[in-house]
Amino acid sequence: DTGVSQDPRHKITKRGQNVTFRCDPISEHNRLYWYRQTLGQGPEFLTYFQNEAQLEKSRLLSDRFSAERPKGSFSTLEIQRTEQGDSAMYLCASSSEDRLNTEAFFGQGTRLTVV
Amino acid sequence: AQTVTQSQPEMSVQEAETVTLSCTYDTSESDYYLFWYKQPPSRQMILVIRQEAYKQQNATENRFSVNFQKAAKSFSLKISDSQLGDAAMYFCASLGSGGGADGLTFGKGTHLIIQP
Repeated sequence: DTGVSQDPRHKITKRGQNVTFRCDPISEHNRLYWYRQTLGQGPEFLTYFQNEAQLEKSRLLSDRFSAERPKGSFSTLEIQRTEQGDSAMYLCASSSEDRLNTEAFFGQGTRLTVV
Repeated sequence: AQTVTQSQPEMSVQEAETVTLSCTYDTSESDYYLFWYKQPPSRQMILVIRQEAYKQQNATENRFSVNFQKAAKSFSLKISDSQLGDAAMYFCASLGSGGGADGLTFGKGTHLIIQP
């Protein structure tokens, strides 16, 4: 297992288009998180999956955003009708449920540019 | 709700010297975790060091150590013998004990520059 992988690494899209990002977590991790990071800021929490269940969504996640994690493995984050304000780095992280090991492992992120 | 504040947007240190990055936090939880993450340019974020709030002893990892002051809600990171590879953005983060459902709360980060 080479860690958390995200695809694509970069995405440029025109305003109004839909985009979808993929995250493959570390295989034995049942927790998966999506974060958004804008320039000069720390990552901000978007949503959380435990296995296939989406248990938490931030107020930042408007109804144009949807995330899935079918079968509790990989996850996708879709943004519909993209806006320039959606330009950011989208980070995925995974961790195990063991209380003694709450380290989150991050992917390299998908950098979205909306033009 | 949790908040994390990093008041130093940028810090610079000479190679081989020691530098301390500041972090304060606020939480209503009695049990929580604190972390320092490193984000090198164009590379993924990696964990530097973690501290369980119920442990009084400060965490150490080789050249990295923390000064955890629970009453003051302060969690600073000390990097000893700074190396060129330490240059990166450093983020302080907190995690509540409630199953991690709310994810990590990050500060805005400190850009650490290592002068050769």
